Amino acid sequence: QQQVKQSPQSLIVQKGGISIINCAYENTAFDYFPWYQQFPGKGPALLIAIRPDVSEKKEGRFTISFNKSAKQFSLHIMDSQPGDSATYFCAAKEGAQKLVFGQGTRLTINP
Amino acid sequence: SAVISQKPSRDICQRGTSLTIQCQVDSQVTMMFWYRQQPGQSLTLIATANQGSEATYESGFVIDKFPISRPNLTFSTLTVSNMSPEDSSIYLCSVEGPPLGETQYFGPGTRLLVL
Repeated sequence: QQQVKQSPQSLIVQKGGISIINCAYENTAFDYFPWYQQFPGKGPALLIAIRPDVSEKKEGRFTISFNKSAKQFSLHIMDSQPGDSATYFCAAKEGAQKLVFGQGTRLTINP
Repeated sequence: SAVISQKPSRDICQRGTSLTIQCQVDSQVTMMFWYRQQPGQSLTLIATANQGSEATYESGFVIDKFPISRPNLTFSTLTVSNMSPEDSSIYLCSVEGPPLGETQYFGPGTRLLVL
C-alpha cells in the first residue's frame, strides 16, 4: 500500500513534443506529491509538487495533473527540449512520514 | 532552498574497508536523511538522522553496517562499513524543508565503487 508505481520506465519524445509520465498510488492518506528531476552525476532536484486539494499545478512548461478519485498523478512537459533529458521520479508522502519514490522514468528528447 | 554539499564526491574502495561520507547543509535543519541509489534504480531510504537522537534505520539496513553521526543541526556523516562490491552505489544526503514537513532537498551524492 506504500508503493508508488511509475510508468513508463523510459520515454523518447521529439523536440517540441509533450512528455507525459504517470504515477499511481494506493495509500489514500498520501497528501504531498512531488516530482524530482535527476541529471546524470547529480542528485535529484525538486521540480514541482502538488497537494490533493487541487487538480492541476503549472510551473512554466511543467504541469502536474492530479486525479484523486483514480489515485493517479502525472507530469506533463510541454514543448520538450533536449535539456529536459533526464530521469524523473514521482514521490508521495503522508504527513511527516518518509517520501515513497516511484521507480523512475528515463526521458530522452530527440533534437 | 537548502544548499547541501557532500564529501567525497566519488571514491573507489577496496573490499573490507570502510568509507565515511560527510554531509554539510548551509542552514540548520532538524531532519536529515541518507539514501542509497543503485545504478539505474530509484532511491532507497537508509535512515533518518535527527540531531540529538539515535538514527532510525529502515528495514534491511543496520547500524553496524551504516553507522550515522549527527553532531549538530548542519552536519551528518554516514559510514559504509566492511564494504563489498554490492555496496557500490550513489549515497545521497537529504534534508527537509522549508517548508517543514513537505519539501525534501538532496545533495549531489557520493559515487562509491567497491572493488
